[in-house]
Amino acid sequence: QKEVEQNSGPLSVPEGAIASLNCTYSDRGSQSFFWYRQYSGKSPELIMFIYSNGDKEDGRFTAQLNKASQYVSLLIRDSQPSDSATYLCAVNGGRGSYIPTFGRGTSLIVHP
Amino acid sequence: DAGVTQSPTHLIKTRGQHVTLRCSPISGHKSVSWYQQVLGQGPQFIFQYYEKEERGRGNFPDRFSARQFPNYSSELNVNALLLGDSALYLCASSPKRELLYEQFFGPGTRLTVL
Repeated sequence: QKEVEQNSGPLSVPEGAIASLNCTYSDRGSQSFFWYRQYSGKSPELIMFIYSNGDKEDGRFTAQLNKASQYVSLLIRDSQPSDSATYLCAVNGGRGSYIPTFGRGTSLIVHP
Repeated sequence: DAGVTQSPTHLIKTRGQHVTLRCSPISGHKSVSWYQQVLGQGPQFIFQYYEKEERGRGNFPDRFSARQFPNYSSELNVNALLLGDSALYLCASSPKRELLYEQFFGPGTRLTVL
């Protein structure tokens, strides 16, 4: 059974700091990795996706993938109070299955 | 451009009843997936439909069923509702068959079973 693990938090960072969110996965054959942001009472919003080892940057967000260690992380630079939300990690493509598995999410609080 | 739309927004039912939830994907997207998200958990995959055929099924009982129409909209049906079915039901659309690629979620339907 595929598992995706995230620390539920909350992770609290001051405004302007770097927030680091981590996710580990159990299926070594996983191929695609996604980060979603979910505000309370709202639906998930896709932030980034990554398929290859290394870093992928988009504005203030950087996704990092290390397949050998089976973890994927999301860095948020210059964190803003509006970044306060739950961040969901989703993993797909292991063992020929294309059903995505989501972690339970990490709650991020950015305080002024 | 319109995103994924879902109806209704909220729904209250009692145990034993059935419910139908509806979803319209982003224009041009042929893949629709359904997820259940209970409070404090990540979304859990229920079904994927692509070109009107079921392409994937999660670990849910037969009380859950779905279909996709020629215009690619979709319905999720749940029979014999249980208290544990209370959740946010999310629909996601994708331009590709393979869920290896990005999906875009609708606003969800909040179902409460009393």
